[in-house]
Amino acid sequence: GQNIDQPTEMTATEGAIVQINCTYQTSGFNGLFWYQQHAGEAPTFLSYNVLDGLEEKGRFSSFLSRSKGYSYLLLKELQMKDSASYLCAGMDSNYQLIWGAGTKLIIKP
Amino acid sequence: ETGVTQTPRHLVMGMTNKKSLKCEQHLGHNAMYWYKQSAKKPLELMFVYNFKEQTENNSVPSRFSPECPNSSHLFLHLHTLQPEDSALYLCASSQDFLAGGPSEQYFGPGTRLTVT
Repeated sequence: GQNIDQPTEMTATEGAIVQINCTYQTSGFNGLFWYQQHAGEAPTFLSYNVLDGLEEKGRFSSFLSRSKGYSYLLLKELQMKDSASYLCAGMDSNYQLIWGAGTKLIIKP
Repeated sequence: ETGVTQTPRHLVMGMTNKKSLKCEQHLGHNAMYWYKQSAKKPLELMFVYNFKEQTENNSVPSRFSPECPNSSHLFLHLHTLQPEDSALYLCASSQDFLAGGPSEQYFGPGTRLTVT
């Protein structure tokens, strides 16, 4: 079956670095997406990886290892506004997204 | 308006009511999606339309009925719902995935549905 696993909740301190891990199993693979969702709002696209390695975009970076079925989202210089849920989603061979339940990130001052 | 809009934002309905959710995208996309989001559960894909043709129906109960009159508009018609259908219903759009390959989905703000 298809499955995405990520931690339910993480806590970090303002100014610090946090890594949110995601493991995936999909029928075929057309890439791995990360979305951010603030409470009561729509998910917004953060990153897309289809090749192995690290993609950096400002304070956020995303990593992919296809052989391990593993990805992580790295957030640097954490700000209070980064408090949100982070959703990992794998795209299968039919170009459909298989979603994880999301990781709620709590930032403390 | 820009992006993806959804109306209404909140809806309370009884189990015998009939209501419709509306989604409109202003991004020139050709694929549109309905998702159900329940607390602490993964997003559940309900329906997919690509160029107005339904390409996915993930075993959704018939009390949910989608309609896609054109590439910019998507409706979800609701009737005789159950309390467990209470959730956030999200609409999304993307570029055509069958011809163009992977592309990110853009989400609307959702409709918070409560079935009493």
